Amino acid sequence: KAGVTQTPRYLIKTRGQQVTLSCSPISGHRSVSWYQQTPGQGLQFLFEYFSETQRNKGNFPGRFSGRQFSNSRSEMNVSTLELGDSALYLCASSLGLAGVPEQFFGPGTRLTVL
Amino acid sequence: GENVEQHPSTLSVQEGDSAVIKCTYSDSASNYFPWYKQELGKRPQLIIDIRSNVGEKKDQRIAVTLNKTAKHFSLHITETQPEDSAVYFCAASITGNQFYFGTGTSLTVIP
Repeated sequence: KAGVTQTPRYLIKTRGQQVTLSCSPISGHRSVSWYQQTPGQGLQFLFEYFSETQRNKGNFPGRFSGRQFSNSRSEMNVSTLELGDSALYLCASSLGLAGVPEQFFGPGTRLTVL
Repeated sequence: GENVEQHPSTLSVQEGDSAVIKCTYSDSASNYFPWYKQELGKRPQLIIDIRSNVGEKKDQRIAVTLNKTAKHFSLHITETQPEDSAVYFCAASITGNQFYFGTGTSLTVIP
């Protein structure tokens, strides 16, 4: 099976702009989670989508939003970018079932905000 | 919410020695504890996991132990090799819906 893929791999934006990141999960996986990874904060949970519904949400401002499509692909949007949003954004997919919690990561999108 | 603490933040060992990384969690409802290895510039890779109904799990040179009473779990790597050098993350989850990660341990294996 193909692994989790993310596009684009690298992005450079300026403050105030918005950005959309995409994640394609492993075939058959219905849950997609998004994380922000920074050197000082580690992996911070943004939100999780399952069957097109946001099931869990972390403690990030409303500028961070997401959605999931019927084919389980997910997008994450960040509006009004700030310098502090520079990070590696990782998505992870899983079956989304309580008995099968294993989660697998994509390669990430490196976002730089200037 | 859940809080996961991970120690040490950096660890250096001689090749062939053992390495131990420890994590504690706060929510007694957490029942799934994976460990990820992240090499420089690469994605985190799931290397081993343990569920709350098991006290220990081994896979070749790596093992994980869980103490539910004390709310801590540990990763043990024996006979370390240079390719074990990476950042290791622990995580805790309730049924796999939402994961809380530790801040990572940078392991260096010195040849």
